[in-house]
Amino acid sequence: DAGITQSPRHKVTETGTPVTLRCHQTENHRYMYWYRQDPGHGLRLIHYSYGVKDTDKGEVSDGYSVSRSKTEDFLLTLESATSSQTSVYFCAIRDRGNTDTQYFGPGTRLTVL
Amino acid sequence: GQQLNQSPQSMFIQEGEDVSMNCTSSSIFNTWLWYKQDPGEGPVLLIALYKAGELTSNGRLTAQFGITRKDSFLNISASIPSDVGIYFCAGRETSGSRLTFGEGTQLTVNP
Repeated sequence: DAGITQSPRHKVTETGTPVTLRCHQTENHRYMYWYRQDPGHGLRLIHYSYGVKDTDKGEVSDGYSVSRSKTEDFLLTLESATSSQTSVYFCAIRDRGNTDTQYFGPGTRLTVL
Repeated sequence: GQQLNQSPQSMFIQEGEDVSMNCTSSSIFNTWLWYKQDPGEGPVLLIALYKAGELTSNGRLTAQFGITRKDSFLNISASIPSDVGIYFCAGRETSGSRLTFGEGTQLTVNP
């Protein structure tokens, strides 16, 4: 257990509304990641952070922004949600002592109507 | 980007049977990871592999880092009903900095 929580766990929203998902970790990990999971695509990286205020894009970053103002929180924002952003979103942290091993949060199921 | 081919996509087995699944890439990987995901939950790390040829066990699970560094295998021995779930491979290319994930193998175990 890497001490990762995500909120909300479930959300239903309408097209065009802004949505913010929160990832919180309690173990002071430097690297944090946001993925989305869709049938037929596996897990795809949206954005990641390598420190406070340090973020970079992943392979599916269009329509998403992130912020990290504190080590423990990594926020994912959909500025104007679209139906194509209906998905399950996972936050992950990278193990402090290893360059590749990642541990995942419980996920947020987002439905955009 | 890099694609990982994970097979089989699904498996239906009887309790007590052994299971094998694999993941292949078109390029050389430095790391292979295997995860299990239960419905409604996040992936949980099972085994991490860092060297070509490495064979690592975690209880009834055994994973291997292929000699060519382009594949990895996961075996589950004497399956039980709680082994049901989706198993994902993930890896990092030699030239890359991010993980790539396979699409998963859905395992069903009939009692």
